Amino acid sequence: GENVEQHPSTLSVQEGDSAVIKCTYSDSASNYFPWYKQELGKGPQLIIDIRSNVGEKKDQRIAVTLNKTAKHFSLHITETQPEDSAVYFCAGGLSKLTFGTGTRLQVTL
Amino acid sequence: GAVVSQHPSWVICKSGTSVKIECRSLDFQATTMFWYRQFPKQSLMLMATSNEGSKATYEQGVEKDKFLINHASLTLSTLTVTSAHPEDSSFYICSAQAGASGSYEQYFGPGTRLTVT
Repeated sequence: GENVEQHPSTLSVQEGDSAVIKCTYSDSASNYFPWYKQELGKGPQLIIDIRSNVGEKKDQRIAVTLNKTAKHFSLHITETQPEDSAVYFCAGGLSKLTFGTGTRLQVTL
Repeated sequence: GAVVSQHPSWVICKSGTSVKIECRSLDFQATTMFWYRQFPKQSLMLMATSNEGSKATYEQGVEKDKFLINHASLTLSTLTVTSAHPEDSSFYICSAQAGASGSYEQYFGPGTRLTVT
């Protein structure tokens, strides 16, 4: 089955700086890679996703890149704000998703 | 759009009793729903996949007789934790997938925190 690894486990950045979270996956058949933001005590919220036929996707301050050959994908958040503080999960698969271990992002003033 | 609700948001039950959790897709029809369990400061672990009108598919290590899943309609799935024990205490989250051709997005509910005393 699919195995998704995520790094770093914690990330602290100053407001306005960029944050990058990286994930790798093992199953070359996987073709869907979403990113979720989870705030304390809440369910995960889909923030951006990418399909395997696309190398990069951007939505305002958030971008995701995918390298199918190397089997890794990354989340980039620019101009971070305090409200970006949360746990971020990457996932990979198709209809069934395998989640990474999560990254706790702390944006400090 | 793509709103998923769960009920209850939290529940406390005594050991040995059963608890039912509902998951509803409010503004779309979900051909597939997923049930996850999340322990504190850990990732989401898929428990089972349910398709409307058919039996759920359970992940390895998940007891299907303990975690009963019913997907009776395109907008409702239920998870029943039978004979609950303290080790079943966790955050249970459902997600729903519209299932349209080429659509893989999963939208998550707000979760249900179960505490078994």
